[in-house]
Amino acid sequence: QVQLQESGPGLVKPSETLSLTCSVSGGSISDNNWYWGWIRQPPGKGLEWIASISYSGITYYNPSLESRLTISLDTSKNQVSLTLRSVTAADAALYYCARDPNDIVVVVGDVFDIWGPGTMVTVSS
Amino acid sequence: HSALTQPASVSGSPGQSITISCTGTSSDIGHYNSVSWYQQHPGKAPKVIIFDVSNRPSGISDRFSGSKSGNTASLTISGLQTEDEADYYCSSYTATTTLVVFGGGTKLTVL
Repeated sequence: QVQLQESGPGLVKPSETLSLTCSVSGGSISDNNWYWGWIRQPPGKGLEWIASISYSGITYYNPSLESRLTISLDTSKNQVSLTLRSVTAADAALYYCARDPNDIVVVVGDVFDIWGPGTMVTVSS
Repeated sequence: HSALTQPASVSGSPGQSITISCTGTSSDIGHYNSVSWYQQHPGKAPKVIIFDVSNRPSGISDRFSGSKSGNTASLTISGLQTEDEADYYCSSYTATTTLVVFGGGTKLTVL
């Protein structure tokens, strides 16, 4: 059974770079049946899709964040990474990684069928 | 401001049925069947309960059902139970550059 576990620094200073990792167990991130996504949720607010990546490394970004984002695969560690540069207080949120089945109709986001428990990010000096 | 519009809250009594709407546009819900619904209990990660408008993942109760008409998707929960009290989010693929949009969420209270 596939499980996802996010990890991150917890606290990051304004203007610095946030690096998050999603460790995948029970399955390979290179399996062509799956894409991988990041979704965030500010405290008390709703969900926002951030980025997704295909099993082959094709990337998709939310245009509102794209200039500050990088999503990547580390197949040797079976991990999906997210980097967000120049963070501000608005980036404080619970960050989830999720599995996205490869769909023949839409490129990403048809459904996020497995989620990690999330990792909380606080932005403060 | 969320791309998909949901009511902020709905309520119902045990045993009753409720419906949560999710309104989008012709670029998302109106054009694609890639509509999903997620249930989120406090302090927990979201869990998919409906995908592709009306399909239930394995293990999800048939009390949960989904449908779509035009630019609006709906989630119906029948035979409400206390454990259904949670936040519910819809999502859809969109043909705009945003690609994936979520609704603002609906808090379900089971009275």
